[in-house]
Amino acid sequence: AQSVAQPEDQVNVAEGNPLTVKCTYSVSGNPYLFWYVQYPNRGLQFLLKYITGDNLVKGSYGFEAEFNKSQTSFHLKKPSALVSDSALYFCAVRNRNTGGFKTIFGAGTRLFVKA
Amino acid sequence: DTAVSQTPKYLVTQMGNDKSIKCEQNLGHDTMYWYKQDSKKFLKIMFSYNNKELIINETVPNRFSPKSPDKAHLNLHINSLELGDSAVYFCASSQPLGLAGDGELFFGEGSRLTVL
Repeated sequence: AQSVAQPEDQVNVAEGNPLTVKCTYSVSGNPYLFWYVQYPNRGLQFLLKYITGDNLVKGSYGFEAEFNKSQTSFHLKKPSALVSDSALYFCAVRNRNTGGFKTIFGAGTRLFVKA
Repeated sequence: DTAVSQTPKYLVTQMGNDKSIKCEQNLGHDTMYWYKQDSKKFLKIMFSYNNKELIINETVPNRFSPKSPDKAHLNLHINSLELGDSAVYFCASSQPLGLAGDGELFFGEGSRLTVL
């Protein structure tokens, strides 16, 4: 069975500092990996994805993520956090082996950026 | 122009009632979904449809009945509502893997259901 783990319920960081939101996954084969962001009372918005190729992928709003196959991780990073980055972040996996009709989400990590 | 729109945004109803949520996407996607987000923000897939055909039914009670009249619409009808059905329900769409877009989901703004 596939699963996604986000070990931190909340990440606190000062504005201007780098941030990392952690994600590990368990899935057979080669998954598609995603990060989404959710602002209060809104739907989820796509940030970035890894499919194949370069392990460092860049996405919206200056975010990037690093795929590490040996550690089955896909951590979200940003070099300099903004207060407006404060939101709920979800890591997700979509398994191409099962036709890809099921995206599994982690439990979410709340990012709080302090001014 | 809203890509994935769902209505209504809020529903407040009594236990035992029936309610429906409608979803429409104008992205030309083949695949549509219903997700449930509980009070702890956990997101769980309920249903997945591809070209109007049910692909995934994630052990959802029979009281929940999705209907896809065409591939741009996926509605959710809930019978005999229970307290535990209170949640935010999200509609989403995507292309199947392997087609252009590579599978990211586009979400609606959610429908918050409160069962009293």
